[in-house]
Amino acid sequence: SQQGEEDPQALSIQEGENATMNCSYKTSINNLQWYRQNSGRGLVHLILIRSNEREKHSGRLRVTLDTSKKSSSLLITASRAADTASYFCATDETGTQGGSEKLVFGKGTKLTVNP
Amino acid sequence: KAGVTQTPRYLIKTRGQQVTLSCSPISGHRSVSWYQQTPGQGLQFLFEYFSETQRNKGNFPGRFSGRQFSNSRSEMNVSTLELGDSALYLCASSFVAASYGYTFGSGTRLTVV
Repeated sequence: SQQGEEDPQALSIQEGENATMNCSYKTSINNLQWYRQNSGRGLVHLILIRSNEREKHSGRLRVTLDTSKKSSSLLITASRAADTASYFCATDETGTQGGSEKLVFGKGTKLTVNP
Repeated sequence: KAGVTQTPRYLIKTRGQQVTLSCSPISGHRSVSWYQQTPGQGLQFLFEYFSETQRNKGNFPGRFSGRQFSNSRSEMNVSTLELGDSALYLCASSFVAASYGYTFGSGTRLTVV
C-alpha cells in the first residue's frame, strides 16, 4: 500500500531555479525520509526528519514536516542539471512483528533540470 | 567503505523458471530489506531480515521468498516466474532498522519473457 504521495508527479525547471516537491501521508509516523533515484539505479538517502522536528537542512536541501497536516516538502535551492532524478518520500511503518519496521514509499516526483 | 552489492545486475528468464538474487549489505549492517519496483506499482516492500530472521513480509505470493546468512548477506528467490515479475529488485541495508535510513544497492533488473 502507498503511504506517501508526492506532488507534482513531474516537474521541469531551469538551472538555478528552486524546486519544491510535496509529500502527503496517511498515518502517524516516527520519521519521514527523502530519497533520490537516478534513472534505473538504486535510491540514495537524502535526509531524515523526525516527527518532533519541523525543519531540517542539508546543503542545498531543506525539508519541512507538518504532522498536523500529514505533509512534508523538499526544497532544492539553486538547482543543477545533476539534480535531474526522481525523488521519493518514505515513511516508517511498524511491522506486524513487534520492533521491526519497513519504509513505505510514494510514487515519486520526476524532476528535470534543464541546462 | 563498500556499498550494498547486488548481483547480477541484469537477468533474463523464461516464464516458469526460478531465479535467485543476491545482496551483500554494508559491513556492520544487520538489517536487509528487499523491494520490487515497477512503473505501475512503484516501490513495493517484499521482506526484511535481521540476524537471519525474517521480521516483516509484504503482500506478495509465496513464490517470493528470501533468507539471510550469518554474515548478513541475503538472497531472494522467485519460483515459477510470471511475466508480471519483470521489475527492478532493490536491496537495502540498514544498521538496525529502516527508521535509521537505508543504503540501497544498484538493483537487479529482471526481465521475464
